Formats: sequence, C-alpha cells, structure tokens
Amino acid sequence: GAVVSQHPSWVICKSGTSVKIECRSLDFQATTMFWYRQFPKQSLMLMATSNEGSKATYEQGVEKDKFLINHASLTLSTLTVTSAHPEDSSFYICSATPSGSFTDTQYFGPGTRLTVL
Amino acid sequence: GNSVTQMEGPVTLSEEAFLTINCTYTATGYPSLFWYVQYPGEGLQLLLKATKADDKGSNKGFEATYRKETTSFHLEKGSVQVSDSAVYFCALRAAGGTSYGKLTFGQGTILTVHP
Repeated sequence: GAVVSQHPSWVICKSGTSVKIECRSLDFQATTMFWYRQFPKQSLMLMATSNEGSKATYEQGVEKDKFLINHASLTLSTLTVTSAHPEDSSFYICSATPSGSFTDTQYFGPGTRLTVL
Repeated sequence: GNSVTQMEGPVTLSEEAFLTINCTYTATGYPSLFWYVQYPGEGLQLLLKATKADDKGSNKGFEATYRKETTSFHLEKGSVQVSDSAVYFCALRAAGGTSYGKLTFGQGTILTVHP
C-alpha cells in the first residue's frame, strides 16, 4: 500500500534554532502534500497545502515566514520551522495525495514530535 | 466555517462490547465524511467514508451512515476486539468554496479495549 514516511520522528532543539522535517511518499508520486499540526488531545489543524513545483498555500493564521514549506520533487516535501520557540512545540503530521487522485485519498505519515526548549 | 465534533473520550470497553463514537458536523453543501484510525506509532489510516446522504461506509466490521438530517456520521461496531484499540478521527472534506478538497478533523477519540 501507499506509505508516507517522516523524518525525524522526534526532535528536541533550543529556542531560536531552525528545524527541518521531511515528508516522503515512498512508493508513489505526490503532486499535493498537506502539513498538519496537532496539539495534545486536539484535532489535526491544517497548516498548509504543498504543491510540487509551486508555492505552498497557507491556512489563515499560519505564518509563512515561520513555517517554510518546500515541495521540490514528487516524493518529498519539507517543513522548516524557523527560529523555533517553545510555543512551536507540537506534533507535526504530513499527508500525501497520489498524483492524479482526488484529495480525499490522503496517506498520512506517522508524525514528528517537536520539542523546543 | 466547517467543523467536526466528536464525543469526548477516552472510551474504555471490554472485548466483544458494542461501540458507538458520535460525530456531528457543520458544513455548507454536501461534504464527504470520513473516519480515520491511528494505531500507536503509526500514521492515520482511512477506515471508511461516505460521499452522499444516506450512504453507509463500512470496513473491518465498522460502519457509519451519513445522516444529512442530523448532520451526523456516528461510528459503530457490534463487537470490538483488543486490536481495535486506537485513536479514531471523524473528518469531512468540503464540497466547494475556498475549502474545497481540504480535510477538517474532529478532536479524536481514544478507544481502549480490554480482554
């Protein structure tokens, strides 16, 4: 089946540093990937839609300069949290839609736990 | 805007018990509705879906019926197993407008099934 991986699975960093999270579709090409953020005991909140070869579309209230998204190939999207602060600590989840499929076919990665000290 | 509300958990059941997890939604038009399941250490997986009113989605013994009149999509299973222990998310995909194609999730319900 379709598999999406994320790396790293968890990361701890100091306040003010930048952290990059990778999302890869392992056995399919994905024109569209989505990035979500999940707080404890809360639902997944869509942060942005990442389209290969073009700029990401951010949801209202999400800082574009804070959360940099790059979707340079059909199998890889990256989320960089710049100048991270403790309030950025969260669980970040990506999903990918196979090229040619409608967006209700989303395959999710296992998530990345970010802790900012 | 669109929203999804799930019953609060955690839900703890004995094996072979009947399961219901309530889900109601708010959306314009006719969204598609989904249940996702997240097993420990894994990503979300699509469990079942329904794309129009009165449709019933089913998979692995789980069922949910799209009820337009009550804006609900409750998840049910007649006899749960220990292996069903997971977090369950109800979600909708907007039918149109600026939110077209995007998923809106409920807060998730933790299910624990004891032997």
